[in-house]
Amino acid sequence: DAGVIQSPRHEVTEMGQEVTLRCKPISGHNSLFWYRQTMMRGLELLIYFNNNVPIDDSGMPEDRFSAKMPNASFSTLKIQPSEPRDSAVYFCASSLRGGDNEQFFGPGTRLTVL
Amino acid sequence: AQSVTQLDSHVSVSEGTPVLLRCNYSSSYSPSLFWYVQHPNKGLQLLLKYTSAATLVKGINGFEAEFKKSETSFHLTKPSAHMSDAAEYFCVVSLYGGATNKLIFGTGTLLAVQP
Repeated sequence: DAGVIQSPRHEVTEMGQEVTLRCKPISGHNSLFWYRQTMMRGLELLIYFNNNVPIDDSGMPEDRFSAKMPNASFSTLKIQPSEPRDSAVYFCASSLRGGDNEQFFGPGTRLTVL
Repeated sequence: AQSVTQLDSHVSVSEGTPVLLRCNYSSSYSPSLFWYVQHPNKGLQLLLKYTSAATLVKGINGFEAEFKKSETSFHLTKPSAHMSDAAEYFCVVSLYGGATNKLIFGTGTLLAVQP
């Protein structure tokens, strides 16, 4: 298995632009998580899905952030409009709900908003 | 409510000496506990996990952790540090209940290994 796949690996954009981050979970996993990591705030859970349904989005910073999971093999995290304070590494993780909840992390997307 | 506390934000050891990274947890029932490692500019990788089987858990790269219910601890140890162990380590507890299956991450311990 290729593991969790994220794209792009690096994104540099200007303030006000729309940014879309993509994630492909491990085949057969039914839970998907989006995290953000910064030096100041550490690792934060933004939102997670079970069986493609958003369960908890209380970590989403504000309305500029949105996430979708149209099917079991794909999810997006969108920021519109982006701001410099959104600069961070965004991780996607997947797990098999009903097991021991071990999460498998992707390599992350490093986002820089100028 | 479940939570984890990593008692040290930074730990520095010399190569070849033992490693001890401390973690205390809070849980209203028997938890699942994990240690994840993050090397610089990399994603998080599972080191080991405790899921109510043996209390002494062995992981990758010579690491192990012992679940001690009486002390509510899950400390990570390694007998002899290697330069490649320099990384950030996260203690994690699993949150169960209803539709919830989140992981609660500690704030991390940055391990430095001196030559």
